[in-house]
Parts: sequence; structure tokens; C-alpha cells
Amino acid sequence: QQQVKQSPQSLIVQKGGISIINCAYENTAFDYFPWYQQFPGKGPALLIAIRPDVSEKKEGRFTISFNKSAKQFSLHIMDSQPGDSATYFCAATNAKAAGNKLTFGGGTRVLVKP
Amino acid sequence: NAGVTQTPKFQVLKTGQSMTLQCAQDMNHEYMSWYRQDPGMGLRLIHYSVGAGITDQGEVPNGYNVSRSTTEDFPLRLLSAAPSQTSVYFCASSFMGFGEAFFGQGTRLTVV
Repeated sequence: QQQVKQSPQSLIVQKGGISIINCAYENTAFDYFPWYQQFPGKGPALLIAIRPDVSEKKEGRFTISFNKSAKQFSLHIMDSQPGDSATYFCAATNAKAAGNKLTFGGGTRVLVKP
Repeated sequence: NAGVTQTPKFQVLKTGQSMTLQCAQDMNHEYMSWYRQDPGMGLRLIHYSVGAGITDQGEVPNGYNVSRSTTEDFPLRLLSAAPSQTSVYFCASSFMGFGEAFFGQGTRLTVV
């Protein structure tokens, strides 16, 4: 049973466009929501993360929007570049629980066309 | 600064064989975990450890064993490999909880 649902599975965007990836979660105990970026042949790497006490977090061209009441959060990649082509995973965890564990979404493969 | 190191990078096993996937981290992280990555399934937690001598099961533990005798090492053992265990395996470590996890490069395992 997947507790974090991610969509779309893949998307293609032109250079300079906006990539939007959505995630929804079920467990209201989740209190930390990271996004990971994975290039082919590499392990995932932390990209940006948010806690539910804020509705938005921005780091450079990457922005997380968080809607606690809807139990949804999304990643926006502004001015998408070919170097952003990668697989993106949302995740969630209860950071305060002992032995807290990351629950991942299914991933979104992003292709940015030049 | 090596971070999280996994060996081997690739492995082909025959059904029924056993093997150990190695994972080592040099960041003095207390938390370590093993995930498997399958298309469309994201990363699923196999086993995790909150410190030396302490391990617990994740979402998909069947067919796998772990131990944590030192802070640095967290090997994953496949007891009797099955084709369903064909996957890419990632080891991760983190210092404060599992949110900011650092991943290794992965081991691509094929069971024939």
C-alpha cells in the first residue's frame, strides 16, 4: 500500500518551461517532506525539503508548495534546463518518531528538451 | 570524502544462490537503511538500523537479512536469491532521522 502517491510518472517540458510534480500522502503523522533528484546510474540526492509549518519553500529554481489540509505537496521547477532531466522522488516521514523511515512516491521522470 | 560506498555495482546471481551486498559510510551517521528500486514503485525500504547492534524490518524484508556490528557498515544478505529480487539496491545513511539521507551509487542485481 503506497502511502505517498506521485504524479505524473513522466513529463516532457521545453527548455525554459515549468515542470510540476504532485504528491499526495495519507499518514497525518508525516511531518517532513523531502524531494530527491536521481540521475541515471546514480543514487538519489536530496534536492529540497519542507516541513508542514510553511506553505512554500524556494531554493533557486526549485519550489515546494505544501497544502496541509489537502495532504498534498508539489515541486515546481522554474525555467527548466536540460541538466534538470532526471527522475524526481517525493518522500515523507515522521521525523520525530524513533527509527523514522522515508516513504517514497513512485517517481517522475522529467525530460527537458533543448 | 567517500560518503556512502556500495559494492559491488553490478551482480548476476543464479536462483538459489546467496550473496552479501556491502555498504559502508564514513560520515559517522547513526541511521542506515537499505532500499530497493523498481520501475514505478519508487524506493521501498527493506531493512534499517538506528545504531550499531539495532536493526528492524522495513516494508519489504522477506528474503533479506541485515546486521550492524559497527557504525560504518551495514551489509545486506540475500539468503536464497529469487528472480523477484532482481532490482537496484540502494544503501543510505543519515545523521538526524531519515529525512536528509545520503545514498550510495547503487547495486544492480539480476537473478536468473
